[in-house]
Amino acid sequence: DQQVKQNSPSLSVQEGRISILNCDYTNSMFDYFLWYKKYPAEGPTFLISISSIKDKNEDGRFTVFLNKSAKHLSLHIVPSQPGDSAVYFCAASTSNDYKLSFGAGTTVTVRA
Amino acid sequence: NAGVMQNPRHLVRRRGQEARLRCSPMKGHSHVYWYRQLPEEGLKFMVYLQKENIIDESGMPKERFSAEFPKEGPSILRIQQVVRGDSAAYFCASSVEVGEQYFGPGTRLTVT
Repeated sequence: DQQVKQNSPSLSVQEGRISILNCDYTNSMFDYFLWYKKYPAEGPTFLISISSIKDKNEDGRFTVFLNKSAKHLSLHIVPSQPGDSAVYFCAASTSNDYKLSFGAGTTVTVRA
Repeated sequence: NAGVMQNPRHLVRRRGQEARLRCSPMKGHSHVYWYRQLPEEGLKFMVYLQKENIIDESGMPKERFSAEFPKEGPSILRIQQVVRGDSAAYFCASSVEVGEQYFGPGTRLTVT
């Protein structure tokens, strides 16, 4: 049962433009959300997170938006750079739980 | 750079053989988590261990899979009598307390 869904397996964007990655979840108990970035042959690395008490969190070029009523979050990367080309995973958990539920990932390709 | 280390990075086993995957957590981390990523899917939680204790193995298949984290040495994920369906990438993560998890590069298991 896939509790976290990333419906776009891939995204291609031109360098300098905005990348928008989407993620939906079904478990209303989730209250902590994370984005991970993964390069080939490496493990996922933490990028940015947001708790359910907020609807936006920003860190440099990366902003995560949370819409609790829609059970939807998104990651915005502005401006996109070639080094951003990677697989991005959305993950969720409850704040007292260590188990992360991951989406299937979105492969981002930034074109020069 | 004392990150999470996993070995081997690639492992090929024939059906019926045993697979042993090793994970050395980051220095100072006493919490270890194993995740499995099947093709075209996200990472799925398997087991959470602390030194000499299995805390939660709710994501582990009931048969053939076992995990340990001894007092000395790496954490081991053991798969007995492997089948083709066990082919996947296995990621280990570690943390200081229950919190941000740092992932290793993964072991890609191929069962022929």
